[in-house]
Amino acid sequence: EVQLVESGGGLVQPGRSLRLSCTASGFTFGDYAMSWVRQAPGKGLEWVGFIRSKAYGGTTEYAASVKGRFTISRDDSKSIAYLQMNSLKTEDTAVYYCTREENSGWYSFDYWGQGTLVTVSS
Amino acid sequence: DIQMTQSPSSLSASVGDRVTITCRASQSISSYLNWYQQKPGKAPKLLIYAASSLQSGVPSRFSGSGSGTDFTLTISSLQPEDFATYYCQQSYSTPYPFGQGTRLEIK
Repeated sequence: EVQLVESGGGLVQPGRSLRLSCTASGFTFGDYAMSWVRQAPGKGLEWVGFIRSKAYGGTTEYAASVKGRFTISRDDSKSIAYLQMNSLKTEDTAVYYCTREENSGWYSFDYWGQGTLVTVSS
Repeated sequence: DIQMTQSPSSLSASVGDRVTITCRASQSISSYLNWYQQKPGKAPKLLIYAASSLQSGVPSRFSGSGSGTDFTLTISSLQPEDFATYYCQQSYSTPYPFGQGTRLEIK
């Protein structure tokens, strides 16, 4: 059974940093691109960014709203994806979901974690 | 960047109704269109990928159509468990924006 479990959320002051983890199981983690999606309270879904599999260079892409502040990385030996968030702003307050990007070539997000809440407030 | 526009933003319907939600892309995205369902307090769930392919385990009352810029999600006969928020998303090119969502409520 495919499972994605996020951790690392919490309350953080503006300007500080936080690192989220996404621990995967039930599939060959290294074969898949992984994305992060967030949802501010009462709002819609916002794609944050993704990291390709090593077979495709392990490269990353980000939404404009987080580019230069957030970094996605992966440790295939541990089946973990990370979201390093620096210079946090109040508008980064959201539930952050880790997702698996299916690899049939259509790039949909076929599995999601349960989400972890990040609250940026002084 | 490609923008996604969903309509309506909210919809009231009854059990057994046929419901259609539309999604428009600001430029052609071929068939790189996905639909997700989200219930309160839960993670989204993939319903349809590649505009019209039903994700494994999703009931056949859900269907998707369209290509290029205009897409639809249809629920043929609403069931009580279908009342939720639905999002479209393009996966043609990054960034991968979602539509603003359609909240489907019980009439």
